[in-house]
Amino acid sequence: QSVLTQPPSVSGTPGQRVTISCSGSGSNIGSNFVYWYQQFPGTAPKLLIYRNNQRPSGVPDRFSGSKSGTSASLAISGLRSEDEADYYCAAWDDSLKVFGTGTKVTVL
Amino acid sequence: QVQLVESGGGLVKPGGSLRLSCTASGFIFSDYYMSWIRQAPGQGLEWVAYISNSASTIYYADSVKGRFTISRDNAKNSLYLQMNSLRADDTAVYYCAREGSLDYWGQGTLVTVSS
Repeated sequence: QSVLTQPPSVSGTPGQRVTISCSGSGSNIGSNFVYWYQQFPGTAPKLLIYRNNQRPSGVPDRFSGSKSGTSASLAISGLRSEDEADYYCAAWDDSLKVFGTGTKVTVL
Repeated sequence: QVQLVESGGGLVKPGGSLRLSCTASGFIFSDYYMSWIRQAPGQGLEWVAYISNSASTIYYADSVKGRFTISRDNAKNSLYLQMNSLRADDTAVYYCAREGSLDYWGQGTLVTVSS
């Protein structure tokens, strides 16, 4: 059961900047690192951001992560059509790993 | 290159059992913690279980505790998920992923629980 809350959907036009929020609590986001994953239909998720704001090699710098208190955000700047996908945040909550509810990004 | 390949999924009746396997290559398997994550059709991601590299630390989601068992064989570079007392709501694609950051995922294996 998800305990991290994300907006169901966000949309933007090409070139725009969009942000996805991830709201948690002191026991998860407030105490641990946040991770972000990108998933295209029918494929496995891919790590996008680790340890709040670190990008794995190969992830464009258009993607950035931040965390403040019990919330985190993923920003996509210079939105492109290939960014249309589902995005999930995740964090540890004591001995449980919790995922966000997921956000579908639509490029108009 | 790092590869994770799941197998063992299929159709099973409610109350039945299934054992999933995940074969790893391209990295030193015994150095890494691992997790199973599942995704029900049209739904979001749900973490299922976690195991340390030596299997000394194991965690389960409340939804599977007492029914599922995660294990590993470092000599065979393999991760397992024994699933018992399966229910319809266990129907999902099951992924194995490398911990630290879940930086590598397998392609997933579909488990369908239906009579």
